[in-house]
Amino acid sequence: DAKTTQPNSMESNEEEPVHLPCNHSTISGTDYIHWYRQLPSQGPEYVIHGLTSNVNNRMASLAIAEDRKSSTLILHRATLRDAAVYYCILQGGSEKLVFGKGTKLTVNP
Amino acid sequence: DTGVSQDPRHKITKRGQNVTFRCDPISEHNRLYWYRQTLGQGPEFLTYFQNEAQLEKSRLLSDRFSAERPKGSFSTLEIQRTEQGDSAMYLCASSLGGTSGRYEQYFGPGTRLTVT
Repeated sequence: DAKTTQPNSMESNEEEPVHLPCNHSTISGTDYIHWYRQLPSQGPEYVIHGLTSNVNNRMASLAIAEDRKSSTLILHRATLRDAAVYYCILQGGSEKLVFGKGTKLTVNP
Repeated sequence: DTGVSQDPRHKITKRGQNVTFRCDPISEHNRLYWYRQTLGQGPEFLTYFQNEAQLEKSRLLSDRFSAERPKGSFSTLEIQRTEQGDSAMYLCASSLGGTSGRYEQYFGPGTRLTVT
């Protein structure tokens, strides 16, 4: 299973942008980069995913490095409801998602 | 609301009893997954189905665990002779089929199992 490295925790202030980094130096050409988040006592929630190009959706943006060895999840304006554990996951060649420890995001009011 | 439902949401059982959980995926999704999550850890993959076929099982899925997806719709996960180590959140997810990684998985709220 391809590995990702994320900071254990990050803090942000409400209404400010948040950049959550993820390193995946062993990514293969067919691996998609997925981001999920999990709020306390809830199941994981899909955020965004991409293969090579940057992606935007209503929740976030995903910036993928040109060599694909790293990516950044961007929350444009953090709210208190964005406080969660964010998981960066590589998926390709297998249907299963392999969750690491993720980044615990704290949003300060 | 992701559209994936799980029942029950909570289950307390005594060691040695059998339990069964149900998952109803999003209706047009042909792939269904089971994960288990213990306190402080990320979810761990257990098994997945494409339609009614069970295509992959984790070595975490011991002989006491069995999953079914009759007719490719809802799925059940049964644990026989429960042990205290089975206490966890059991999560179900579903997705469209296709190239691995191309489609996202949508998770249900989970069933929290407590074995006393």
